Amino acid sequence: EDQVTQSPEALRLQEGESSSLNCSYTVSGLRGLFWYRQDPGKGPEFLFTLYSAGEEKEKERLKATLTKKESFLHITAPKPEDSATYLCAVQAPNAGNMLTFGGGTRLMVKP
Amino acid sequence: ETGVTQTPRHLVMGMTNKKSLKCEQHLGHNAMYWYKQSAKKPLELMFVYNFKEQTENNSVPSRFSPECPNSSHLFLHLHTLQPEDSALYLCASSQGGAENTIYFGEGSWLTVV
Repeated sequence: EDQVTQSPEALRLQEGESSSLNCSYTVSGLRGLFWYRQDPGKGPEFLFTLYSAGEEKEKERLKATLTKKESFLHITAPKPEDSATYLCAVQAPNAGNMLTFGGGTRLMVKP
Repeated sequence: ETGVTQTPRHLVMGMTNKKSLKCEQHLGHNAMYWYKQSAKKPLELMFVYNFKEQTENNSVPSRFSPECPNSSHLFLHLHTLQPEDSALYLCASSQGGAENTIYFGEGSWLTVV
């Protein structure tokens, strides 16, 4: 059974304090790993897709990396507007359209 | 604007009511989904439609009934719900095939009283 575990559950940072969010996964092969950002009361917003170990993608202050067992979302010099819940999901080759989501990391950045 | 529009955004219904959630995607995608998001739980897939055909039903109770009249529209018909069905219901779509990034709507907040 595919499993996704995100840590920490919650993270408080000061503005400018860089850190990383972890997504550990167990899947029979990996078709894709997805990162989303979700603001309170809204649907998840797509950030990145990673397909193979060693791949990295960047967007503004965010950089996502992938190994064979986990993915990291690095946040460099965060700002208060980066506060949100970050969701990780995996897709297995035999899972059709299905994604398995982790529980998310709630990030709070204080000014 | 995500390209996936859900209505209503908020719904309060009694346990004996019948209501429907509506979703429309403007992305030209071929697959549409219903997800449920409850407090303190990961997102749960409910239904998947590919080219209007239901391809996944993730053991969802029959009080939830999906309908997909075409590739752009998706409904979730609700009847005889329970208070524990109160949650955020998210519609999503994807191109399908090798490129399968899923794009979500803003969600419909459902409260069952």
